[in-house]
Amino acid sequence: RKEVEQDPGPFNVPEGATVAFNCTYSNSASQSFFWYRQDCRKEPKLLMSVYSSGNEDGRFTAQLNRASQYISLLIRDSKLSDSATYLCVVALPHSGGGADGLTFGKGTHLIIQP
Amino acid sequence: EAQVTQNPRYLITVTGKKLTVTCSQNMNHEYMSWYRQDPGLGLRQIYYSMNVEVTDKGDVPEGYKVSRKEKRNFPLILESPSPNQTSLYFCASSGTQYTEAFFGQGTRLTVV
Repeated sequence: RKEVEQDPGPFNVPEGATVAFNCTYSNSASQSFFWYRQDCRKEPKLLMSVYSSGNEDGRFTAQLNRASQYISLLIRDSKLSDSATYLCVVALPHSGGGADGLTFGKGTHLIIQP
Repeated sequence: EAQVTQNPRYLITVTGKKLTVTCSQNMNHEYMSWYRQDPGLGLRQIYYSMNVEVTDKGDVPEGYKVSRKEKRNFPLILESPSPNQTSLYFCASSGTQYTEAFFGQGTRLTVV
């Protein structure tokens, strides 16, 4: 059973378009949620935390739906520089063995085309 | 500047030759962890440490060791590397296991 699932893509989107992708998580006791961005062969970097009330940072909006156990990321007016892999990250409570803390989805690959 | 520093960035080694990848953070974080990233498998946690002298296995600990003698340092040790440990490795630190993680720049390891 996969704990954090994302559509791997790639999503090919024209510059200026709006793009959205979702991520589902399996553990209802998950405590915190993030979107990270990773450029090719570089380290993941925090894009934004995801709060229950939803949050917005410029062109980026993140939403959390605890009832349905999914997180979404919306990018408006997409730029060429938005091309990257977007990782959904969920902090799972330690459950008596195995990994503790952040669990990463495998990422959604986004390509913005001119 | 807040950062996590890994060394080396690139390493090619031979099977069985012990190696250490260093990781150091300057944010006074208690929680540190090591991940490996492989195509199609995403980031998988190798080991983590919740504080000095406290370490535990992650999802894929076989073939690796770690130590946490000081808060800022968390080296990853491969006692006898094998080709299946060829991967991209990341060290990360955070205040707790539930908060934002800061990553090092990565170490690309090739074992031949």
